Amino acid sequence: KNQVEQSPQSLIILEGKNCTLQCNYTVSPFSNLRWYKQDTGRGPVSLTIMTFSENTKSNGRYTATLDADTKQSSLHITASQLSDSASYICVVSAMDDYKLSFGAGTTVTVRA
Amino acid sequence: DTGVSQDPRHKITKRGQNVTFRCDPISEHNRLYWYRQTLGQGPEFLTYFQNEAQLEKSRLLSDRFSAERPKGSFSTLEIQRTEQGDSAMYLCASSPPGASTEAFFGQGTRLTVV
Repeated sequence: KNQVEQSPQSLIILEGKNCTLQCNYTVSPFSNLRWYKQDTGRGPVSLTIMTFSENTKSNGRYTATLDADTKQSSLHITASQLSDSASYICVVSAMDDYKLSFGAGTTVTVRA
Repeated sequence: DTGVSQDPRHKITKRGQNVTFRCDPISEHNRLYWYRQTLGQGPEFLTYFQNEAQLEKSRLLSDRFSAERPKGSFSTLEIQRTEQGDSAMYLCASSPPGASTEAFFGQGTRLTVV
């Protein structure tokens, strides 16, 4: 069964600090991994998408890494801002499978 | 706005009533998905369309749920005889053909069954 697990479930950080979110998956055969940001009451918005051959990708202050051998990914947020407060969801898809496997998300709260 | 559009944004209904949601995908996106999301959880797959064909329907979708995409453009999701357990955010997403393509989500429809 394809599974995506994220940690921590939630975290609180001070504005300006960095944080790292983790994602472990068992999806096979692997096709790509995406990180989405979801504000409360809104639909998810894509941050990064990585395929098997990519091990890092940045989008502004967001940097995602991928280790396809250990089936792990991380999302690093640099110099956090209040607007980074949201849920961050790891999404993995398998080859020849149109369905997306979602993690439960990590809720990030940035405080002034 | 050329993103995925969902209507309505919020719906409150009494238990036992029928509701219908609409999703307008990004034009030329042949793939359309419906997901359901409850508080604190990631979205769960409900159903998938490729053009007008419904290729898969999750076991989460009971007989009270039906989805259509009559002309391969917009899609509707209908829930008959709503139950309190149907209360959730219903998300629609679309993507163009090809592997590793981006899936774009709508803002969702928040359903509350009272």
